[in-house]
Amino acid sequence: GDSVTQMEGPVTLSEEAFLTINCTYTATGYPSLFWYVQYPGEGLQLLLKATKADDKGSNKGFEATYRKETTSFHLEKGSVQVSDSAVYFCALTDSGEGNTPLVFGKGTRLSVIA
Amino acid sequence: DTGVSQDPRHKITKRGQNVTFRCDPISEHNRLYWYRQTLGQGPEFLTYFQNEAQLEKSRLLSDRFSAERPKGSFSTLEIQRTEQGDSAMYLCASSPQVGTQYFGPGTRLLVL
Repeated sequence: GDSVTQMEGPVTLSEEAFLTINCTYTATGYPSLFWYVQYPGEGLQLLLKATKADDKGSNKGFEATYRKETTSFHLEKGSVQVSDSAVYFCALTDSGEGNTPLVFGKGTRLSVIA
Repeated sequence: DTGVSQDPRHKITKRGQNVTFRCDPISEHNRLYWYRQTLGQGPEFLTYFQNEAQLEKSRLLSDRFSAERPKGSFSTLEIQRTEQGDSAMYLCASSPQVGTQYFGPGTRLLVL
């Protein structure tokens, strides 16, 4: 079945450092790809998404590009802030429309220190 | 607030008791999903609905679990004869017919 593998955490960075969280997937067909974020004490929030190959999702300074040739969707941010400390989840759906059950990775905890 | 809401936010119960959780989706969304998240793991799919029809159930959903969405609006998830292994965060999400899923705050269940 479909699966998502993301880098193990925790990741600890200093403020203004560059962030990469790796995510690779296995899927049949043409999945949609997502990054969700979970801030301490809060629910899952959609951070960004991409629905077809070579699409780039972006939001709040975060970016990820749907790479079909490497089956990857790595999350990047050029300069992290303390407020970015959270758990980040990579996920996919097998529907290009994004409305079928999500398959999540295990999550990567990011801590940003001042 | 027009987001997804869940009730209760926290539930502590004794092993063997039944519990029921409620989810109210975003009003114009016709798809509703239930997931379970254990500590240190990503959410795992349990079941989902389109309007009142249950479209799919995960093999994670044992016979002790049942979900309903009788009028195509709110949904309930019931766990009968709870076990300690049922302790988890139960997440609800909703989406339009075509579009992204938005999550509620979750119900945290602790079975003693």
